Amino acid sequence: EDKVVQSPLSLVVHEGDTVTLNCSYEVTNFRSLLWYKQEKKAPTFLFMLTSSGIEKKSGRLSSILDKKELSSILNITATQTGDSAIYLCAVARISGNTPLVFGKGTRLSVIA
Amino acid sequence: GAVVSQHPSRVICKSGTSVKIECRSLDFQATTMFWYRQFPKQSLMLMATSNEGSKATYEQGVEKDKFLINHASLTLSTLTVTSAHPEDSSFYICSAALAAGAQETQYFGPGTRLLVL
Repeated sequence: EDKVVQSPLSLVVHEGDTVTLNCSYEVTNFRSLLWYKQEKKAPTFLFMLTSSGIEKKSGRLSSILDKKELSSILNITATQTGDSAIYLCAVARISGNTPLVFGKGTRLSVIA
Repeated sequence: GAVVSQHPSRVICKSGTSVKIECRSLDFQATTMFWYRQFPKQSLMLMATSNEGSKATYEQGVEKDKFLINHASLTLSTLTVTSAHPEDSSFYICSAALAAGAQETQYFGPGTRLLVL
């Protein structure tokens, strides 16, 4: 059965800290890995990763995929209270229009 | 960018009533839409995949007679929670795939919070 596992499940840090969120997967016909940020409403897209070793960056957020280790990390530097959210990892599979496989998410709380 | 809307954003209903939630892709055609449910502090749980013009594909454990899905056009899918009970209270989110076979280009609606009294 395809699965995506995220760790930690929750995390509390102080403003200014750097955090690393982990995502590992066991999925047949892997195509890409996606990261989303969810605050109070629906998830918003952060990154899509398809190739190993190529870092994607957006401001203080960055992410990289390791296809050999079947994993990805999401880094957030100089965290701010606005980074508090659930971060979801999902994997897309090659076969047709099959749905994404989501992890349970990491709940990040950034305190002032 | 692509926009997906959901209506209503919030609904409170009595136990035993049916509730219809609409999901619309506003500026693109979506062959496939997905319906998710999310309980507090938990991740998204896929309920069903809705394909325009054909029957929805339900995930294991999701009752198709309770959660009726209709995808009558390329821009609209509806989820009807029939005979709702308090345990159906949840956050329901839809997403629409921008192109057939491109799950990555899924755009999420803002969600509908359902409370069944």
